[in-house]
Amino acid sequence: AQSVTQLDSHVSVSEGTPVLLRCNYSSSYSPSLFWYVQHPNKGLQLLLKYTSAATLVKGINGFEAEFKKSETSFHLTKPSAHMSDAAEYFCVVNIRGSQGNLIFGKGTKLSVKP
Amino acid sequence: DAGVTQSPTHLIKTRGQQVTLRCSPKSGHDTVSWYQQALGQGPQFIFQYYEEEERQRGNFPDRFSGHQFPNYSSELNVNALLLGDSALYLCASSTLRRGLTNEKLFFGSGTQLSVL
Repeated sequence: AQSVTQLDSHVSVSEGTPVLLRCNYSSSYSPSLFWYVQHPNKGLQLLLKYTSAATLVKGINGFEAEFKKSETSFHLTKPSAHMSDAAEYFCVVNIRGSQGNLIFGKGTKLSVKP
Repeated sequence: DAGVTQSPTHLIKTRGQQVTLRCSPKSGHDTVSWYQQALGQGPQFIFQYYEEEERQRGNFPDRFSGHQFPNYSSELNVNALLLGDSALYLCASSTLRRGLTNEKLFFGSGTQLSVL
């Protein structure tokens, strides 16, 4: 069985400070892992994805995530938060190459203070 | 190039009624997946359609059904609505024909369904 656990339901940072959103996964197979962002009244947008090529994955808008198999983690980071980063972030797992469904975490709401 | 479009954007129904939600996939895509996102939760997979057939299904009752048309657009039908069906319903498209997987999903903005 596959699952993801997002360790924080809400993270608040100041503009210009680093962002860390934590995600642990569970998978019996080699997983594909994703981070999606959801702004209010907008669809889900793919930030980045891990599919085994490299453990450090760079995404859009300066975000990156590192796949750590030993820790079963896939934390999302950004060196400097911007006000426009305020949104809901979802960690997602799928069996690599599978046509099956995506399994979403419960989400982490990121707030950015001026 | 239009992305994934969903209609309507908002819908209010009463318990026991039936509802139909619509989705047009991104140009070039042939596969449509539907997700339910309850308030404060991550999206949950309902089912996926390819070649006008349901290929995979999540843990949802038979009250949830769907259809895919020859032009790849899709409908989600929910019968005998319950209060708990209130949620944002998301459609996502991809293409299996070209060998791409869920790693190339594009989501619509969703239909917000409220059941009173």
